[in-house]
Amino acid sequence: DIQMTQSPSSLSASVGDSVTIACRAGQSIGTYLNWYQQKPGKAPNLLIYSTSTLQSGVPSRFSGSGTGTDFTLTITSLQPEDFAIYYCQQSFSTPWTFGQGTKVEIK
Amino acid sequence: EVQLVESGGGLIQPGGSLRLSCAASGFSVSRKYMSWVRQAPGKGLEWVSVLYSGGTTYYADSVKGRFSISRDDSKNTLYLQMNSLRAEDTAMYYCARTQALYCSGISCYPPFYFDSWGQGTLVAVSS
Repeated sequence: DIQMTQSPSSLSASVGDSVTIACRAGQSIGTYLNWYQQKPGKAPNLLIYSTSTLQSGVPSRFSGSGTGTDFTLTITSLQPEDFAIYYCQQSFSTPWTFGQGTKVEIK
Repeated sequence: EVQLVESGGGLIQPGGSLRLSCAASGFSVSRKYMSWVRQAPGKGLEWVSVLYSGGTTYYADSVKGRFSISRDDSKNTLYLQMNSLRAEDTAMYYCARTQALYCSGISCYPPFYFDSWGQGTLVAVSS
């Protein structure tokens, strides 16, 4: 199984800040990396697929990059609605695996 | 509009069985890959199973041999039959449409991603 490790596990930031979340795969996964946002009591929501492609309707302040084993999700100019938990997920091979999540909290 | 509505969760004793349903609208489950993803209380996301449009299935090791994914094309519904349930199966279960960028006939190729999710159905395994 491909292990996915996110860092940090949590972070505190203010509205207007830029934040970066890292995701590392246990082996090379090419660009088969997706990012999801989950708010309390809600289902996850797809933000970015294939490392850097923004899902329809997702604001352009979200961006993704990386290849191989190291990936990042960047949120520029944090908005109040962005405080949530973010998960990376690989689709290189089954079992598809998720990172443990990064909680973005209000400072 | 794509919509997924799960049902069938509840409180069940260890060793028992449950069948979860995911009713889809706005697309045909027979033409898409469909997955189940679960989330234990206060924990992260865990992929459980996928059903390819051609009928191929895959499972997480944690449920292999106990869970079975299927669909009823006439009802446009995805199912997850869960047998020999354990306390560690306690979770919110989500169905998710699994998109692929590249498909040729019934075969699709990575990257795959979960682009639509249901609201989830809660399964609690406890005596």
